[in-house]
Amino acid sequence: EPEVTQTPSHQVTQMGQEVILRCVPISNHLYFYWYRQILGQKVEFLVSFYNNEISEKSEIFDDQFSVERPDGSNFTLKIRSTKLEDSAMYFCASSERFWLTSNQPQHFGDGTRLSIL
Amino acid sequence: EDQVTQSPEALRLQEGESSSLNCSYTVSGLRGLFWYRQDPGKGPEFLFTLYSAGEEKEKERLKATLTKKESFLHITAPKPEDSATYLCAVRLSGGSNYKLTFGKGTLLTVNP
Repeated sequence: EPEVTQTPSHQVTQMGQEVILRCVPISNHLYFYWYRQILGQKVEFLVSFYNNEISEKSEIFDDQFSVERPDGSNFTLKIRSTKLEDSAMYFCASSERFWLTSNQPQHFGDGTRLSIL
Repeated sequence: EDQVTQSPEALRLQEGESSSLNCSYTVSGLRGLFWYRQDPGKGPEFLFTLYSAGEEKEKERLKATLTKKESFLHITAPKPEDSATYLCAVRLSGGSNYKLTFGKGTLLTVNP
């Protein structure tokens, strides 16, 4: 069964450094998302992306964050200057269409654990 | 502010002991309610989508129902492999069309 893959599974970075998290969405999907989950807290929406542009972003997604689809298969999240509070699990998701029916849900990857030292 | 609240936070069952998990929401303009299962160290795995009050969906030992204010995930005769965190999420109509708003989840443990 097709799945969303994320790399790396764990990233350790010094505060202030740039980090890029990578995702390969399911191949025929058109909508892409990033969520994060701070340890012990809810899964939180960061951003959605369609047709090579951001379609929606949360208040968390400030100027330090950016997303890109550099080629036909990868979807990346960049944090320009990491802070301690950026430590979290970051999940990539994709969906085939905008309207989420029972046959076309958001499919999640297994996440990248980002640890900021 | 839109809210999704799940209860209980944790539930421990004996194998075969049926029970229900609750997801209540205070949102305006629900476009869909979603149930996911999350195993430790993994991403959320989709289970069900519900769109309108009265709707029901079933998959193996799980059955999800929806009213105007809450959803229930009923687990019939659970097995140890059903142990996981069950997440509820809502999608709203209006401006926030893309994001899912999640609850904190219910950690289910099924003992053999």
